[in-house]
Amino acid sequence: AQSVTQLGSHVSVSEGALVLLRCNYSSSVPPYLFWYVQYPNQGLQLLLKYTSAATLVKGINGFEAEFKKSETSFHLTKPSAHMSDAAEYFCAVTGATGGGNKLTFGTGTQLKVEL
Amino acid sequence: KAGVTQTPRYLIKTRGQQVTLSCSPISGHRSVSWYQQTPGQGLQFLFEYFSETQRNKGNFPGRFSGRQFSNSRSEMNVSTLELGDSALYLCASSVSMGYTEAFFGQGTRLTVV
Repeated sequence: AQSVTQLGSHVSVSEGALVLLRCNYSSSVPPYLFWYVQYPNQGLQLLLKYTSAATLVKGINGFEAEFKKSETSFHLTKPSAHMSDAAEYFCAVTGATGGGNKLTFGTGTQLKVEL
Repeated sequence: KAGVTQTPRYLIKTRGQQVTLSCSPISGHRSVSWYQQTPGQGLQFLFEYFSETQRNKGNFPGRFSGRQFSNSRSEMNVSTLELGDSALYLCASSVSMGYTEAFFGQGTRLTVV
């Protein structure tokens, strides 16, 4: 079975500071990994995805994530936080047998950006 | 290009009733998945449809069902509603099967009273 663990349900950073949101995965097959962002009362927006092409993945809004197989991690980073980054972030994994698109999500990390 | 459209956005139902939620995927997308989001359980996979066939199913009771039409639009139905079914129901569309990225709608907020 596949799973992801997000460390830290709440993260608070100052505007302009580095954002680091942690995600570790467990998968018996090569995983496809995703980061999504959710603003209040909205659906999920895809930030970036890892599909084995490159270990450093760049996404939208200045976010990037690095796939580290040795650490089974896929942490999300952004060099400089902006107030508009305040939202909930979800790490997800897929790669289930049968070729489906079923996503298994982590529990989410609420990012707060302070002045 | 229009995104994933879910209707209605908000719904209030009484315990014991049934409800049908609708999802129109992005044009050209043939796979539709449904998820339930609650504060306690987080995001949980309900089922996935491709070419009008259910391809994958999550661990939910039989009260939860779905279907997909020939134009790829999908509906999910919940019968005999329980208070615990109150949640945000999210629909996601993908181009095809095979680990392709999923694009989500804004969701339907269901409240069971």
